[in-house]
Amino acid sequence: NAGVTQTPKFQVLKTGQSMTLQCAQDMNHEYMSWYRQDPGMGLRLIHYSVGAGITDQGEVPNGYNVSRSTTEDFPLRLLSAAPSQTSVYFCASSSLVAGGQYEQFFGPGTRLTVL
Amino acid sequence: KNQVEQSPQSLIILEGKNCTLQCNYTVSPFSNLRWYKQDTGRGPVSLTIMTFSENTKSNGRYTATLDADTKQSSLHITASQLSDSASYICVVSGPPGAGSYQLTFGKGTKLSVIP
Repeated sequence: NAGVTQTPKFQVLKTGQSMTLQCAQDMNHEYMSWYRQDPGMGLRLIHYSVGAGITDQGEVPNGYNVSRSTTEDFPLRLLSAAPSQTSVYFCASSSLVAGGQYEQFFGPGTRLTVL
Repeated sequence: KNQVEQSPQSLIILEGKNCTLQCNYTVSPFSNLRWYKQDTGRGPVSLTIMTFSENTKSNGRYTATLDADTKQSSLHITASQLSDSASYICVVSGPPGAGSYQLTFGKGTKLSVIP
């Protein structure tokens, strides 16, 4: 049971390039989400999914696309990278725990630098 | 606007000492409050989840308290160890709605435990 995995760990892009950050989970969780973490700020939700085929926007969705074709995978696509997208990106998946609350499990993160 | 404020921003303590981290929130309606530990270069890991009806919850040397009336929570660490050096993030959840789960993240308290 690997939990939540993310690739790559590090990436450097030039402005205008596109790329996909990969996220996979093997816990059969319905909920998956993408966050970015910037210095001096709390994690901010980019996009989330409540199940295969269903995605929705979070707090900061501009410049990012997602899709959820399977329960396991939730890739994040940067369409045309900008320096403002330099950040650490975390993928998370969630499961119901006792009491009806959701517990989130985070991946190790992808550190992205856009030059 | 929903907000989560944590204090102090950073804290240095000697190994073996106790410490308390604070979290104030204005999230409404409120569902649950979580504390996460984030080691440098890693994703957050859940320590505790508390609903509005719970006053205290422990996880080993970590004890979280919640006062839903004053909208305050604290995380107490007993007999600190070097491995406790990390950022501690307070996260408050509103109720699930339309398939989403609204989380408001604090900026975290950076704890350094020194020998």
